[in-house]
Amino acid sequence: SQQGEEDPQALSIQEGENATMNCSYKTSINNLQWYRQNSGRGLVHLILIRSNEREKHSGRLRVTLDTSKKSSSLLITASRAADTASYFCATDRWTGNQFYFGTGTSLTVIP
Amino acid sequence: DTAVSQTPKYLVTQMGNDKSIKCEQNLGHDTMYWYKQDSKKFLKIMFSYNNKELIINETVPNRFSPKSPDKAHLNLHINSLELGDSAVYFCASSQDSGPYGYTFGSGTRLTVV
Repeated sequence: SQQGEEDPQALSIQEGENATMNCSYKTSINNLQWYRQNSGRGLVHLILIRSNEREKHSGRLRVTLDTSKKSSSLLITASRAADTASYFCATDRWTGNQFYFGTGTSLTVIP
Repeated sequence: DTAVSQTPKYLVTQMGNDKSIKCEQNLGHDTMYWYKQDSKKFLKIMFSYNNKELIINETVPNRFSPKSPDKAHLNLHINSLELGDSAVYFCASSQDSGPYGYTFGSGTRLTVV
């Protein structure tokens, strides 16, 4: 069954605003990852956060993880038109290294 | 210098045919994967494979079979194609020991008519 679910399904913001996407999952995990997918392209790995970490930064990206609530958030600050893409969270199960993806959040940044 | 390459990029075929999609990675990764992305963008893992074991998602029909001639290649063979097999198939690879995530190929769009 589907492991991660992103919320919202679609998000539209003005350039320069911040974008926040959420991910909820169902079972215990070792790691959670966020990926970006531009239209018609493969997924690009953005950031990985381990289950013992609470927050991680990479450039304009900030990821948080709350294992008690089984949820994560991805914040993109000062968004740009080039950030327009679908964003997916992926979680592994504690027994293995297979990652399970949600259906993604479609982000549109309006110039 | 493409890290994970898939061929073909597009594949249109008739129901009942058998087809293969090829994947190669030049990253020296230990594990390779096949994912299926449907029209709603849901990504479903089909297989993961390293030189030790093949893990198959139990919901994948046995018409789908991965074939790995060596560590750098994981091909996907599909028998008796059905309309519902139409999707984008992504190959990916990872290094088990590193926290670097997956590297994905650019996908193969399969259309069964």
